[in-house]
Amino acid sequence: DVKVTQSSRYLVKRTGEKVFLECVQDMDHENMFWYRQDPGLGLRLIYFSYDVKMKEKGDIPEGYSVSREKKERFSLILESASTNQTSMYLCASSFRGGSTEAFFGQGTRLTVV
Amino acid sequence: GNSVTQMEGPVTLSEEAFLTINCTYTATGYPSLFWYVQYPGEGLQLLLKATKADDKGSNKGFEATYRKETTSFHLEKGSVQVSDSAVYFCAPPAGGTSYGKLTFGQGTILTVHP
Repeated sequence: DVKVTQSSRYLVKRTGEKVFLECVQDMDHENMFWYRQDPGLGLRLIYFSYDVKMKEKGDIPEGYSVSREKKERFSLILESASTNQTSMYLCASSFRGGSTEAFFGQGTRLTVV
Repeated sequence: GNSVTQMEGPVTLSEEAFLTINCTYTATGYPSLFWYVQYPGEGLQLLLKATKADDKGSNKGFEATYRKETTSFHLEKGSVQVSDSAVYFCAPPAGGTSYGKLTFGQGTILTVHP
């Protein structure tokens, strides 16, 4: 089975902290994605990576950065966490191209206090 | 770029009722279309897909037909169950680049009562 694993299910961080969310996939997928999910706003794309060291901004990249040093791992970084970044974060991966499905991790519920 | 317009929710039904969630898309060509489902406390998972025009995707009693003449991919189920309560996402065709960048909309929250 394809597996996308996010490092934490729940995180509580303080305002101003640097936060790392890790995601690992085991299917040799080229594409990896980070989304945040908020009530009433649906699923919004933060960043997208289509290859190692390659990234593309999504719809809401402000306040976030990403790192993809290895094909299987895609990290989301909150440079200085703020309370408005409290949210559910979802990682996904897929093969390159528009005809393949995406596989999702279980999500990380981040609370910034 | 490619996009979808998905019926807004929330949708509340009684068990055994008929379900339709509308989804229309804009796209270049005839790319694959997908419905994803998110059960409480979980990530999204693929519910069904159709890879070309006039295809019907089906899974767990759900169906959706890829209709190019109306650019639609509506999700239907003849008799919903309480366990179908979830959020449903129609995924637009990957657009913008050839790499498969995938964006989603708000989703439709479905609640089924006994």
